[in-house]
Amino acid sequence: QKEVEQDPGPLSVPEGAIVSLNCTYSNSAFQYFMWYRQYSRKGPELLMYTYSSGNKEDGRFTAQVDKSSKYISLFIRDSQPSDSATYLCAMSARLTGGGNKLTFGTGTQLKVEL
Amino acid sequence: DAGVIQSPRHEVTEMGQEVTLRCKPISGHNSLFWYRQTMMRGLELLIYFNNNVPIDDSGMPEDRFSAKMPNASFSTLKIQPSEPRDSAVYFCASSIPPGLTNTGELFFGEGSRLTVL
Repeated sequence: QKEVEQDPGPLSVPEGAIVSLNCTYSNSAFQYFMWYRQYSRKGPELLMYTYSSGNKEDGRFTAQVDKSSKYISLFIRDSQPSDSATYLCAMSARLTGGGNKLTFGTGTQLKVEL
Repeated sequence: DAGVIQSPRHEVTEMGQEVTLRCKPISGHNSLFWYRQTMMRGLELLIYFNNNVPIDDSGMPEDRFSAKMPNASFSTLKIQPSEPRDSAVYFCASSIPPGLTNTGELFFGEGSRLTVL
């Protein structure tokens, strides 16, 4: 079983739709929860970050963490064609020697159609 | 400011050849990560350096893979000999450790797309 499970999609929605992306995880040591966005032929970029259960909102994006269920979500409101990308959930635990080790989901490919 | 710089962006080589991928992290970042990305397995951590010292290389697939970080501004990932199953996009990322005022965010380069024929 993978430490982080994410539905790869692809997911296709019309412009303006609400998008829900989800990940589950098995490692209770994960402390930080992130969503990265990756455009085609680019490196991933941090989109949202949280370290506690609950919701965090940033513009059209809301990140939700439920540690008791080991489940995280990313909601995109009023989706735009520019949101078309692959969304990767990532979780981290502290590494011996300092720093964090990020474990990524496989990513969900999203396409927002005009 | 320049981000993480990787070279080459694309590499096509034949099975058995040596491949060297290069990375320049963001100045001031003391952690460096090498990831491999494939459709089937997603992003996999290969090796992690902290202050130029390899800390965790448990993700390196086998002895054909090696990584070095001779100084704070340069790292290499070498595959010798290369095999078709090594075909993937290899990403380098750098960060500063998480603390009170930062998240330990990873900053990724644009990747090196490797094709082994």
